[in-house]
Amino acid sequence: AQSVTQLGSHVSVSEGALVLLRCNYSSSVPPYLFWYVQYPNQGLQLLLKYTSAATLVKGINGFEAEFKKSETSFHLTKPSAHMSDAAEYFCAVSMNTGFQKLVFGTGTRLLVSP
Amino acid sequence: SAVISQKPSRDICQRGTSLTIQCQVDSQVTMMFWYRQQPGQSLTLIATANQGSEATYESGFVIDKFPISRPNLTFSTLTVSNMSPEDSSIYLCSVALGVDQPQHFGDGTRLSIL
Repeated sequence: AQSVTQLGSHVSVSEGALVLLRCNYSSSVPPYLFWYVQYPNQGLQLLLKYTSAATLVKGINGFEAEFKKSETSFHLTKPSAHMSDAAEYFCAVSMNTGFQKLVFGTGTRLLVSP
Repeated sequence: SAVISQKPSRDICQRGTSLTIQCQVDSQVTMMFWYRQQPGQSLTLIATANQGSEATYESGFVIDKFPISRPNLTFSTLTVSNMSPEDSSIYLCSVALGVDQPQHFGDGTRLSIL
C-alpha cells in the first residue's frame, strides 16, 4: 500500500524567507508524486508532478520539488515566500500506471507573516 | 488542464435528507473521481467513476450511501443519502485527462448538515 507523510501540520515563515514543506512517501514500486495547493474556499490546484523523468521538478508560482529515492522524499521548496503563498499544501502519491487514485498526506498549512 | 464545475458550491441540509452534487467537465474524460474532505482533514477517495460502468468504491464507502452516476464522458453526480451531521464535509470531484496524467479538481461542494 502507498502512503504519504507530511511533517508539520503548520509551517510559519516570514515574507521573503525560504519555504520548505516536507513529504515522505512509502511505495512498493516507483510512484508518481504530486503537490497540490488549496486556497480558502477553493478546490485543489496542481503545483507540480513527478512522473519518473527529471528528479528536480519545477512547478507553478516559483515552487519546485526534488525526488530523492534514497530518502523516499519529495520536499517542496520556494526560495522566497510571498504573502499570497499562504494556503494548505497537500502531497499525494499514486501508482505509476494508468488511471490511479491519489493517496493524500494530511496537509501542511503555510502561514506567511509580513 | 480542464474546467471543472461543481454544483452546488455549498449547501445546508437537514438530517435524513439527500443531496445530489453535480460535476461537469468541459472536455471528455475517461475517469472521474469523488473525494471527501472532512473538516480540517485531508482528502479521502470515495469512489472512481468510469463512464458506462458501475463506480468502484473505496473501503468504508458504500453505494447505498453514496450513489454515483456517470451518464457520459463529461458529467457525473454524487448523491449523499440519508445525511447525518457526520457527513458535513467538502466533496470534490476530479478528473484525469489521460493515462498517467495528473488529476484536476473542481472547487468542491461545502456541505453542512444540521
